Amino acid sequence: GQQVMQIPQYQHVQEGEDFTTYCNSSTTLSNIQWYKQRPGGHPVFLIQLVKSGEVKKQKRLTFQFGEAKKNSSLHITATQTTDVGTYFCAGTHNAGNMLTFGGGTRLMVKP
Amino acid sequence: DAGITQSPRHKVTETGTPVTLRCHQTENHRYMYWYRQDPGHGLRLIHYSYGVKDTDKGEVSDGYSVSRSKTEDFLLTLESATSSQTSVYFCAISVGGKNYGYTFGSGTRLTVV
Repeated sequence: GQQVMQIPQYQHVQEGEDFTTYCNSSTTLSNIQWYKQRPGGHPVFLIQLVKSGEVKKQKRLTFQFGEAKKNSSLHITATQTTDVGTYFCAGTHNAGNMLTFGGGTRLMVKP
Repeated sequence: DAGITQSPRHKVTETGTPVTLRCHQTENHRYMYWYRQDPGHGLRLIHYSYGVKDTDKGEVSDGYSVSRSKTEDFLLTLESATSSQTSVYFCAISVGGKNYGYTFGSGTRLTVV
């Protein structure tokens, strides 16, 4: 089936450092969504991107959707311990199709 | 979140027994989904529903069935539990329309021994 690949799987950072996770698809995505899951918790919806080249910001988080709509990134500036968790991207390959989740990037932040 | 609850939260069952997990929502959303989460595999769709008695298979549906006789309840049944079905199961609803902005339940941790 159609897949969404996410890298890296794990990332350790020192508090205050930046963090980026990348999401890639071999085929064009209709949209991309990002979720955050705290340890022991459930995924929580962060944002959806729809347009080619779209960039959205939420405080220290910056989300980008590639021009070809095949990749996306989530960048966190100056990480804090509250950023700890697993970040998932999820995309639909055709309008109306199911969301396909990437494998997630687990972020660990050293205080 | 959006009035979605899963039960039970934890369950241990024996191989070969049937198990039913329940997802209940209080806001009359049309779209509901069951996922399983395993290390190294992320979230994989088991079954989904677009309304009462309208269900379909996801990518890992073998060994699972679902029912939706009321808008508010989406039941996932493991017909004969196997150790490979040990997992965390999440129910989700789509609050912004089909496939938009899922709200997840708190999950059910199922162990098959």
